[in-house]
Amino acid sequence: DFQMTQSPSSLSASVGDRVTITCQASQDISIYLNWYQQKLGKAPKLLISDASYLETGVPPRFSGGGSGTDFTFTISSVQAEDIATYYCQQYADLRYTFGQGTKLEIK
Amino acid sequence: EVQLVESGGGLVQPGRSLRLSCTGSGFSFDNYAMHWVRQAPGKGLEWVSYISWNSGSIDYADSVKGRFTISRDNAKNSLYLQMNSLRPEDTAFYYCVKDTGGAWGQGTLVTVSS
Repeated sequence: DFQMTQSPSSLSASVGDRVTITCQASQDISIYLNWYQQKLGKAPKLLISDASYLETGVPPRFSGGGSGTDFTFTISSVQAEDIATYYCQQYADLRYTFGQGTKLEIK
Repeated sequence: EVQLVESGGGLVQPGRSLRLSCTGSGFSFDNYAMHWVRQAPGKGLEWVSYISWNSGSIDYADSVKGRFTISRDNAKNSLYLQMNSLRPEDTAFYYCVKDTGGAWGQGTLVTVSS
């Protein structure tokens, strides 16, 4: 199975800060990577697919990059409403696997 | 608008069974593979099972293989998860997920406890 290693597990940022989360795959997954936002008590929401494609309606402060085994997710200017846990997920293999999650808190 | 709605969760004793359902709307359900993903309270996301558009390909996580059965009825735009021999560690929110992750249901909570 493909293992996904996500870091950090948590981070604290001020409004307006730039934050970056990384996700590393145990094998080459090309660009078959999603990034999700999950707010408390809600289902995950897809923000980015194919490693860097911004889903319709998602604010452009969110971005993704990378290919192969190393990926990044960036919020260019954190807003208060971005409080959530963020997950990466590979879909190169049908046995989907997820990163451990990154909990974003606002200072 | 794509919608997925799960049902069938609840409180069940260890060793008993439960059947989850998921109904899709707003898209051609029979064109897409579907997955079940679960999340224990306060924990991360775990893939559970996959079924291809025509039920010709099915797979399970090792943690549920032999106990859970995924199926679908394209005429009813519905996905199912039959869960047998339930264990306390199966306690989680269960989400149905369209294809590669573009749409998720709201989740249904399964609690396995005596």
